[in-house]
Amino acid sequence: AQKVTQAQTEISVVEKEDVTLDCVYETRDTTYYLFWYKQPPSGELVFLIRRNSFDEQNEISGRYSWNFQKSTSSFNFTITASQVVDSAVYFCLWGAGNMLTFGGGTRLMVKP
Amino acid sequence: EPEVTQTPSHQVTQMGQEVILRCVPISNHLYFYWYRQILGQKVEFLVSFYNNEISEKSEIFDDQFSVERPDGSNFTLKIRSTKLEDSAMYFCASSEGVGNQVGETQYFGPGTRLLVL
Repeated sequence: AQKVTQAQTEISVVEKEDVTLDCVYETRDTTYYLFWYKQPPSGELVFLIRRNSFDEQNEISGRYSWNFQKSTSSFNFTITASQVVDSAVYFCLWGAGNMLTFGGGTRLMVKP
Repeated sequence: EPEVTQTPSHQVTQMGQEVILRCVPISNHLYFYWYRQILGQKVEFLVSFYNNEISEKSEIFDDQFSVERPDGSNFTLKIRSTKLEDSAMYFCASSEGVGNQVGETQYFGPGTRLLVL
């Protein structure tokens, strides 16, 4: 069965530091999708990115970047020059059918 | 920007009571989902719904749970006889459901926090 592991349960950084959130997944499927969602203190789940298993190109969106490496089954997320507003729980997800499998989440605390 | 809405935001109920959690998915979406997050634990898939029937469900989604699309806009999750362990945040989500539906992006509502006493 598929599994998503976010080994870092909690990370604390000072504003303007770069931070990388790790995500490792296990699957036997050849076609699948990976996602990152953000859960701010208000509780909602905010979509950040979706990648398919055939597209290993790294992606950058403003201060956010994602590194997908199929060889190591990893889909890591880097925030450059972190800000206090980045403080949230970040979830890495795997999906192949209708069901999304969540990782345990990483709580990021950015201190001023 | 269209969004998924959920009501109520908080619900407190007594053990054994029935609760109905309501969701309004994004209007042109065809796939609907329920997930739950017990405090301090992972978000877990409960059920997906398409074309007025359940598409997939997890082991958690037992006979005490049911889903319904009573009209053209609402999507509900009913828990027949609540237990203490049903206390959780319940998230509704929807996705477009067109073309290849594999791994579609799901857009989540703000959640309903259910507390069973």
